[in-house]
Amino acid sequence: AQKVTQAQTEISVVEKEDVTLDCVYETRDTTYYLFWYKQPPSGELVFLIRRNSFDEQNEISGRYSWNFQKSTSSFNFTITASQVVDSAVYFCALSMSFQKLVFGTGTRLLVSP
Amino acid sequence: NAGVMQNPRHLVRRRGQEARLRCSPMKGHSHVYWYRQLPEEGLKFMVYLQKENIIDESGMPKERFSAEFPKEGPSILRIQQVVRGDSAAYFCASSPGQRSYNEQFFGPGTRLTVL
Repeated sequence: AQKVTQAQTEISVVEKEDVTLDCVYETRDTTYYLFWYKQPPSGELVFLIRRNSFDEQNEISGRYSWNFQKSTSSFNFTITASQVVDSAVYFCALSMSFQKLVFGTGTRLLVSP
Repeated sequence: NAGVMQNPRHLVRRRGQEARLRCSPMKGHSHVYWYRQLPEEGLKFMVYLQKENIIDESGMPKERFSAEFPKEGPSILRIQQVVRGDSAAYFCASSPGQRSYNEQFFGPGTRLTVL
């Protein structure tokens, strides 16, 4: 069975602080995909990143970076110099090819001015 | 290229009524997934469909819920005899299928409120 754990329920930071959101996953498959989605207060789901299990290269996109470590089954997400607009619920998710996404319970990030 | 469309965006029903939620996938996408998000919770998979076929319905409640994705037209999630516990946000996602890394594009969701 597949499972995604986001142990941090809520994180509060002050603007310009760096923040890391943790994601630990479980799967027996050797081929799988990991995702991060953002859900702002307006409620829609915004796709942030997809990684496949064969690509452990870390990725940076502007203020966002992701650290994928198969050895610890983790796919952590770091926001550098956080901004108020980053306030949202962030979901980590796991899937096998062409199959359902298994979501974590989400981490609510509150960035105050 | 329009994104995934869902309608209505908000739906209010009284207990015992039927709810019909529609999802039009992105152009060229042949795979549709439905997820439910209960208040203050994460998204839970309900059903995965391709045109005219249900591929995986392991997340669908056994009673009152059904889904279809006809050859023509949108995918429909139907909830019969709604109860207060059905109040949730229902998200549809679509995927191209072939030659895809299963990147699922989500619609804006339908917020169902059962009075």
